[in-house]
Amino acid sequence: GAVVSQHPSRVICKSGTSVKIECRSLDFQATTMFWYRQFPKQSLMLMATSNEGSKATYEQGVEKDKFLINHASLTLSTLTVTSAHPEDSSFYICSARGLGRVSYNEQFFGPGTRLTVL
Amino acid sequence: GENVEQHPSTLSVQEGDSAVIKCTYSDSASNYFPWYKQELGKGPQLIIDIRSNVGEKKDQRIAVTLNKTAKHFSLHITETQPEDSAVYFCAASRPQGGSEKLVFGKGTKLTVNP
Repeated sequence: GAVVSQHPSRVICKSGTSVKIECRSLDFQATTMFWYRQFPKQSLMLMATSNEGSKATYEQGVEKDKFLINHASLTLSTLTVTSAHPEDSSFYICSARGLGRVSYNEQFFGPGTRLTVL
Repeated sequence: GENVEQHPSTLSVQEGDSAVIKCTYSDSASNYFPWYKQELGKGPQLIIDIRSNVGEKKDQRIAVTLNKTAKHFSLHITETQPEDSAVYFCAASRPQGGSEKLVFGKGTKLTVNP
């Protein structure tokens, strides 16, 4: 199957700092990438959808100025959590969908990034 | 919008038994129904999916059935093994001109006891 990587896998930061998470599609071109947040023992909550070269579309209730998303290339999207606070601590997961090896509509997920804000 | 209900929330079976997880969806326009397996601390892994033009799909010990009329779909795992223990999520999406989003169920924690 298609491979999606995330970096870092874990990050601990102080309150008020910004954290950048990278999501890469390794063997296919991702026309669309998705960012999810998952709290313990809960389902995945979609935060935003990003298409290469255009602005991200955020879900209702997600602050776009706090969660900056950049999808600058067909293989890379980044999520920056700005001025992080303890309540932002969560498991952040990206997924990618694209052309070529993957069928239309399938989303392939990265391994996730555990963010802990002290 | 779409709403996906998933049952049960927890399921415990003996090794070798079958496990069935059921989901219902509300949007009749939904046409893609994937199932994901998530192990602790990892991202979800696609294990099987089905599209609305098919009623059943099988891949070794895993099968998915879809009833479009009733708007429900189910995951069937036969001959369960301890390594099948994980949280399983169903999802649904509808055509949206390239902006298809997945709506997830709340998950089922499957425990396979040796």
